Amino acid sequence: AQSVAQPEDQVNVAEGNPLTVKCTYSVSGNPYLFWYVQYPNRGLQFLLKYITGDNLVKGSYGFEAEFNKSQTSFHLKKPSALVSDSALYFCAVQEGNNRLAFGKGNQVVVIP
Amino acid sequence: GAGVSQSPSNKVTEKGKDVELRCDPISGHTALYWYRQRLGQGLEFLIYFQGNSAPDKSGLPSDRFSAERTGESVSTLTIQRTQQEDSAVYLCASSPGVVGSNQPQHFGDGTRLSIL
Repeated sequence: AQSVAQPEDQVNVAEGNPLTVKCTYSVSGNPYLFWYVQYPNRGLQFLLKYITGDNLVKGSYGFEAEFNKSQTSFHLKKPSALVSDSALYFCAVQEGNNRLAFGKGNQVVVIP
Repeated sequence: GAGVSQSPSNKVTEKGKDVELRCDPISGHTALYWYRQRLGQGLEFLIYFQGNSAPDKSGLPSDRFSAERTGESVSTLTIQRTQQEDSAVYLCASSPGVVGSNQPQHFGDGTRLSIL
């Protein structure tokens, strides 16, 4: 079965500093990977996806993610964090029927 | 609005009662998904619809859970004889739906279900 792991529970970062949220995957074949963000009492919002092609994927709100096949990782990054980036972030891998298997999520706290 | 709409946004009910949750997908989206999000956990897949058929029901946790969809439109998730462990946020998502298209899923804001 396809799966992703998000090893950290919470990521704290000072406003203006680089933000990284880690994700590793375990899949057979080529992975289709996604990042979503969830604000309080809201559904998930799509940030970016990796299907094929360039290993560096750019997405919404200044986020990007790097696909690393040798390390089986797909870490989410933002060069300069904003307080408004404080939210819950989910990594996901696409399985059959396009269903998504999600990681447990990472709470990001950006400190002013 | 053009997004996925779910109702009710909150539901509190007594253990043993039946509940019905509704999802209105984005117009034209043929694929529809239900997920469950328990407190402090990731999302668990429940069921997938392509049109009004459900080729994948593998995530439904028990026979108390069922879902249906009318054409390529509204879906309802029904939980019978609710138990306290059913308390969670139930999220619906839709996508254009061609299998293998890798299109992102668009999520509603969910229904927060609390079983007393």
